[in-house]
Amino acid sequence: NAGVTQTPKFRILKIGQSMTLQCAQDMNHNYMYWYRQDPGMGLKLIYYSVGAGITDKGEVPNGYNVSRSTTEDFPLRLELAAPSQTSVYFCASSRLAGRAGEQFFGPGTRLTVL
Amino acid sequence: QQQVKQSPQSLIVQKGGISIINCAYENTAFDYFPWYQQFPGKGPALLIAIRPDVSEKKEGRFTISFNKSAKQFSLHIMDSQPGDSATYFCAAALGGAGSYQLTFGKGTKLSVIP
Repeated sequence: NAGVTQTPKFRILKIGQSMTLQCAQDMNHNYMYWYRQDPGMGLKLIYYSVGAGITDKGEVPNGYNVSRSTTEDFPLRLELAAPSQTSVYFCASSRLAGRAGEQFFGPGTRLTVL
Repeated sequence: QQQVKQSPQSLIVQKGGISIINCAYENTAFDYFPWYQQFPGKGPALLIAIRPDVSEKKEGRFTISFNKSAKQFSLHIMDSQPGDSATYFCAAALGGAGSYQLTFGKGTKLSVIP
């Protein structure tokens, strides 16, 4: 199993551009998550999904959108990129939620907005 | 408002020594406390986790100590090795099946020197 995969690994955007960060998992996990990690700030939840067709906001959703059309894929869309969105983005998945659900993380996408 | 406070921000330990990282939480409804380990350029990976109905959990060289009354928990790494050099994050979550969000501390960068 490849686990959780993310593409691209790196990306530089200009202010106002849009892009989609791709995330896929092959573990048949129902739950998927998007986090951003800023230096010295830990990880903050952007959006999560409890299954295909069901998504909800996390702690820092402004400026992002998500969709979940299949169990495997959970893309994150950035519209009108801003310098404040410069960060490392991690996708994660889990079979269960809460304390029963170990979250498995992908390798991350490093995004710079100039 | 930061709900999980982690210290120290960085830690340097001699090979063979004990590494200790501390976390404190505010929300008494949290009942799942995982620790994640992150190597440079990689996503976080679950290291060890504890529930508040036990005061200590040990897995190999890694031990979590939990003090419910003080709302504190800590990670102890015994016989620290250079391969343990990584960033460690504590986290907390509501434990129910409907809980999806991990609240992370800001991380501790551990360097184990030979």
